[in-house]
Amino acid sequence: GAVVSQHPSWVICKSGTSVKIECRSLDFQATTMFWYRQFPKQSLMLMATSNEGSKATYEQGVEKDKFLINHASLTLSTLTVTSAHPEDSSFYICSARDAGQGAGETQYFGPGTRLLVL
Amino acid sequence: AQKVTQAQTEISVVEKEDVTLDCVYETRDTTYYLFWYKQPPSGELVFLIRRNSFDEQNEISGRYSWNFQKSTSSFNFTITASQVVDSAVYFCAPFDTGRRALTFGSGTRLQVQP
Repeated sequence: GAVVSQHPSWVICKSGTSVKIECRSLDFQATTMFWYRQFPKQSLMLMATSNEGSKATYEQGVEKDKFLINHASLTLSTLTVTSAHPEDSSFYICSARDAGQGAGETQYFGPGTRLLVL
Repeated sequence: AQKVTQAQTEISVVEKEDVTLDCVYETRDTTYYLFWYKQPPSGELVFLIRRNSFDEQNEISGRYSWNFQKSTSSFNFTITASQVVDSAVYFCAPFDTGRRALTFGSGTRLQVQP
């Protein structure tokens, strides 16, 4: 149980294009999903918290218009990197919090998406 | 706000050795959760344990054990008889009740040599 999928796992794109990453909770409902960014050999940095049916909450320094988040259902959140540039190249990881009782704020992580912007 | 310190950046051990990964946290919450996650080379974070602050019993799961010391704000993780497959980055992460999100430490990279 508690499986989170992420698609695509790898994406290479040209500078200026937009990239959409999907995060799905496969066997549980997630009212809240999280998007993280991780640079090589560094820790995870929370970018935003995505709540089903409402606007995402972005961390300080994260551009809302650059990183568009949509959480349209209890099992799907999407992150769109708009007009991507080489500095956006990173490992993007989503997680989902199990809305069920007893889950105790546990987050389950997707396998991540490696984005390379040329 | 939460703060977490994983002072050990990298640890290298030989297979079958025991190893302890340290985690020290700061919080103003009276009740809170603490987590450990494993990130193998593939990149996916694997949930290892969740500990509620009012439960101070140590926990053992197979070769893994955790020592929670509320008095010193530490939540250390021990792997007994380490194996090569244990090689990964391990993150300690307290739950920030204000932000309702995890705060990740810098991680400890564990290399287990055969």
